Amino acid sequence: DAGITQSPRHKVTETGTPVTLRCHQTENHRYMYWYRQDPGHGLRLIHYSYGVKDTDKGEVSDGYSVSRSKTEDFLLTLESATSSQTSVYFCATEGTSRGYTFGSGTRLTVV
Amino acid sequence: GENVEQHPSTLSVQEGDSAVIKCTYSDSASNYFPWYKQELGKGPQLIIDIRSNVGEKKDQRIAVTLNKTAKHFSLHITETQPEDSAVYFCAAGSGYALNFGKGTSLLVTP
Repeated sequence: DAGITQSPRHKVTETGTPVTLRCHQTENHRYMYWYRQDPGHGLRLIHYSYGVKDTDKGEVSDGYSVSRSKTEDFLLTLESATSSQTSVYFCATEGTSRGYTFGSGTRLTVV
Repeated sequence: GENVEQHPSTLSVQEGDSAVIKCTYSDSASNYFPWYKQELGKGPQLIIDIRSNVGEKKDQRIAVTLNKTAKHFSLHITETQPEDSAVYFCAAGSGYALNFGKGTSLLVTP
């Protein structure tokens, strides 16, 4: 979706290194979300934000942190990447009308 | 918290046939039920949604039904076409932060 940009699209990193994924939106949406997608698990919520500097944990938040210093940017950080964090990460925003809009995803491989 | 179960996990139909995907949810407070379609290499896209004050909603070949008493909702696709082949996710929630089912991989064969 043109209103949400995730970067990078692909990343390979080594175990134990820090990694930051970025989500940028141009829709001025208040709510933003980070999900991870794994085979057999569907989409699971990591963290979400309901405004600048306002964030909360989802069901699989261990090992992840987030920051939102501006409305348009929501960052997901893996402090020390592990192989279990190999996944496809999706950012989503929620406006006032029709539910979530998802980005194109970031495929992260931890070796 | 909310638990969303989705069935079947895979579904194969012939072009022109109908496809039905079913979901159940656990939290009676959930009042918003969207369906998403995900094509290979892309993010999920909203295709239809329904709120708890409505029992059925249609959009061309796609319809969603909701039974709040039984806590289940279904996606119906009629006259399926090869381009309907994708992974479909149901979700349920109230307010914000949706909970998703594990997905149904739909294959429409010519």
